[in-house]
Amino acid sequence: DTGVSQDPRHKITKRGQNVTFRCDPISEHNRLYWYRQTLGQGPEFLTYFQNEAQLEKSRLLSDRFSAERPKGSFSTLEIQRTEQGDSAMYLCAIILDTTDTQYFGPGTRLTVL
Amino acid sequence: SQQGEEDPQALSIQEGENATMNCSYKTSINNLQWYRQNSGRGLVHLILIRSNEREKHSGRLRVTLDTSKKSSSLLITASRAADTASYFCATDKEGGSEKLVFGKGTKLTVNP
Repeated sequence: DTGVSQDPRHKITKRGQNVTFRCDPISEHNRLYWYRQTLGQGPEFLTYFQNEAQLEKSRLLSDRFSAERPKGSFSTLEIQRTEQGDSAMYLCAIILDTTDTQYFGPGTRLTVL
Repeated sequence: SQQGEEDPQALSIQEGENATMNCSYKTSINNLQWYRQNSGRGLVHLILIRSNEREKHSGRLRVTLDTSKKSSSLLITASRAADTASYFCATDKEGGSEKLVFGKGTKLTVNP
């Protein structure tokens, strides 16, 4: 158990639909990260929160993507007008302790038809 | 863009043998982490080594770091079929936000 849950675990949607994913750390952690992983590749950084503030966004995060972290606890990642190229695993990670280790949730696998 | 490069891309060995995977990166780092990922699953953290450390052990795992060469290696001793997975190294840039930059991974197959 990494202390991070993600919901849903799988999502199949049609092109053009909006989807929202949720990341729930088991307790409050001030640093939370989102990554995207496509088939055969390593994860790529999308965005980072310190408490409720979104401090950094990757160029991968087009204007169709938005992430929030109200109250500095859980976080959501929304993709509007999905495209087939959005098909990927979306991973959330937190830093649990003072060692800077990032612990990942199980991910949400998105398939856009 | 991906900073790390793992080598080899794929490795197939017999149970009981040792497996060595290498990782190279481009910028100065705070630390380097190794992760394991079973097919279609999330990432499992294996070990973190800081930029001022040269070697670290955890069970059957041994990690080395050479900051002058910007490279790291992961050794799994006495491999088991359950070690079959993809292995990724990830670095966070010195002075950065601790976001991780991953390589493409090494796909390890341990044959029983």
